[in-house]
Amino acid sequence: SYELTQPPSVSVSPGQTVSIPCSGDKLGEKYVCWYQHKPGQSPILVMYQDSKRPSGMPERFSGSNSGNTATLTISGTQALDEADYYCQVWHISTVIFGGGTRLTVL
Amino acid sequence: QVQLQQWGAGLVKPLETLSLTCAVYGGSFTNYYWTWVRQPPGKGLEWIGEMNDSGSGTKSNIPSLNRRLTISLDTSKNQVFLKLTSVTAADTAVYYCARGNAGGKGIDFWGQGTLVTVS
Repeated sequence: SYELTQPPSVSVSPGQTVSIPCSGDKLGEKYVCWYQHKPGQSPILVMYQDSKRPSGMPERFSGSNSGNTATLTISGTQALDEADYYCQVWHISTVIFGGGTRLTVL
Repeated sequence: QVQLQQWGAGLVKPLETLSLTCAVYGGSFTNYYWTWVRQPPGKGLEWIGEMNDSGSGTKSNIPSLNRRLTISLDTSKNQVFLKLTSVTAADTAVYYCARGNAGGKGIDFWGQGTLVTVS
């Protein structure tokens, strides 16, 4: 089965830039989506097709995908960006989520 | 604006059946993949399965989940159903219904989530 690997946690200071990686075999050949998930709320799609932002998503969110790694980057990180972030792909018609990365804004 | 509203029993006894319903409001029911995702306490998101309005569906590749799972639709009511039989404590989770898109466009609308406890 296909696996996506994310670091359990990353931290960033307010106003700084943070990158959250997601790795998988030949990941660059697949479309990657990213979700933001805050406690007690439903997940939110923040990036699709590697680097496209849904309508209303702030421009400080960006994405890339090449080789074996996809990356979600948040520029000018704000306190409200503190959440769990999950990468996601499709593999043989099934949806695969990464294990999630907890972003802490210190 | 698309809204997904879900409901079902929050407490299920071991070996009984978990049943959830998700109603879709404010958007088309066709050409989407109606999806169920769950999150066990303290763990990450886990995709359960999906079905589209053509009746084509895919389920998790986890055998212990797959053989107990039924996802169905009522296109006349724009509703999606999840049934999971013979539940155990390992099925305790927040369950989300959601709308999936083809072509790498992601899962863009989610229900509010339902905590189901098996005890």
